[in-house]
Amino acid sequence: GAGVSQSPRYKVAKRGQDVALRCDPISGHVSLFWYQQALGQGPEFLTYFQNEAQLDKSGLPSDRFFAERPEGSVSTLKIQRTQQEDSAVYLCASSLVSWDSMEGNSPLHFGNGTRLTVT
Amino acid sequence: DQQVKQNSPSLSVQEGRISILNCDYTNSMFDYFLWYKKYPAEGPTFLISISSIKDKNEDGRFTVFLNKSAKHLSLHIVPSQPGDSAVYFCAASDNNNDMRFGAGTRLTVKP
Repeated sequence: GAGVSQSPRYKVAKRGQDVALRCDPISGHVSLFWYQQALGQGPEFLTYFQNEAQLDKSGLPSDRFFAERPEGSVSTLKIQRTQQEDSAVYLCASSLVSWDSMEGNSPLHFGNGTRLTVT
Repeated sequence: DQQVKQNSPSLSVQEGRISILNCDYTNSMFDYFLWYKKYPAEGPTFLISISSIKDKNEDGRFTVFLNKSAKHLSLHIVPSQPGDSAVYFCAASDNNNDMRFGAGTRLTVKP
């Protein structure tokens, strides 16, 4: 399909393990976002890329979280030494234009998310 | 801090009737507002948006109303259909690389 693809769909990790979550955005989309969604809550912003540049990482909860998008397409969110509080659905979203040029007509397109459970 | 609030966690309406989902925000810098719909085990999908220069935007059965002075927006679905049953998220942005989401309202449309 032509939508945002995330893998794996589900991930169970033991506390202390490192995990890597992958996002394939819609081809040609400039902007890419990562969100964390806890049970019963709305998505919480983690980080934003414009092409390969990470312009905003203010939402990353700790230095155990790291995201990259080296070639401006696929992105990986890495969580080191996972903790139980990291358990959540991690959503990736992309948008056609750069976020700071948006005039309100380019919404985010979300993937189905990766559900991470840390035991 | 919750800058976008959806105070009703759930709403139940009869098929054919109007569904009204509400959203309040606190940041006066927000200038773009969106509604997303989410089915279980899927990511949110974009439904409708409105920029702060408008007070109403309509798309088929869906209409979003914005009251900037009250910092309030609402989504109206008329007529409601069972397939509309989902969680609806309100989102707002100030074009600073961030989009804030509400906690969602679960809509159930009964046949």
